[in-house]
Amino acid sequence: DTGVSQNPRHKITKRGQNVTFRCDPISEHNRLYWYRQTLGQGPEFLTYFQNEAQLEKSRLLSDRFSAERPKGSFSTLEIQRTEQGDSAMYLCASSLVDSYNSPLHFGNGTRLTVT
Amino acid sequence: GESVGLHLPTLSVQEGDNSIINCAYSNSASDYFIWYKQESGKGPQFIIDIRSNMDKRQGQRVTVLLNKTVKHLSLQIAATQPGDSAVYFCAETGSSNTGKLIFGQGTTLQVKP
Repeated sequence: DTGVSQNPRHKITKRGQNVTFRCDPISEHNRLYWYRQTLGQGPEFLTYFQNEAQLEKSRLLSDRFSAERPKGSFSTLEIQRTEQGDSAMYLCASSLVDSYNSPLHFGNGTRLTVT
Repeated sequence: GESVGLHLPTLSVQEGDNSIINCAYSNSASDYFIWYKQESGKGPQFIIDIRSNMDKRQGQRVTVLLNKTVKHLSLQIAATQPGDSAVYFCAETGSSNTGKLIFGQGTTLQVKP
C-alpha cells in the first residue's frame, strides 16, 4: 500500500496524559498536513510542512500541540496534557507540489478518545 | 471569514438515479476546488478536482460544475450505486497559496436499493 499511513488507528487516553501520533506520507510527496475532524464536521486545518519546515499553524493549534517532520519524511503530532475536548479524528494528508495546485491525499486517521 | 458550506445535510436517492450534491463557497479568491468522499472510519478520498479557469470537468460517473459568478460548486454522480453511500465534502483553497484546503460540513448521500 503506497498511500498515507497513520498510526495508531485508535488511541484511548486519560485526561492529562500525553499522546503522539505518527504519519507516513506518500514517499515522493513534499507537503504534509495535519487536520482534525470532529463528528459531523469537515476536517479543520491544523498545520502543514513543506519538506521539514513547518510553514503554517492554525490558531486551533494550542501550545499543547506540537508537530515535527524530521528529515522531511514521516511526521509526528504530539498532544500534551490531553483534555476531553481533544477527542477527535486526527487526519494526515500529503501532496506533491510541482505546480501550484494538487490534491491532498489523506490517511485513514487516528481516532483519539480522552476519558 | 473563509467558509465553505453545503446546502443539504442529507441526500437520499434511489439506486440507478443521478445524484447532485451542491456546495456554496464564500472566498472569490479560491482558484482550486476538490470533492472528497468519506466513508465511515476512513479518511477523505479524492474524487475530482477543478481549477477556477474551468466550469466543468468530468470523471468516471462524476462531473463537477463550477459557477464562479454565484460561487457555487456541484458534484453530479451518474447512476448512483450503493457503494456511493458516504459523506461528501467540497473543499477550496481560499486565499492561501499553501495548498491547504478549507472544508465544508459535508452532505450525507444515502442510496436506497
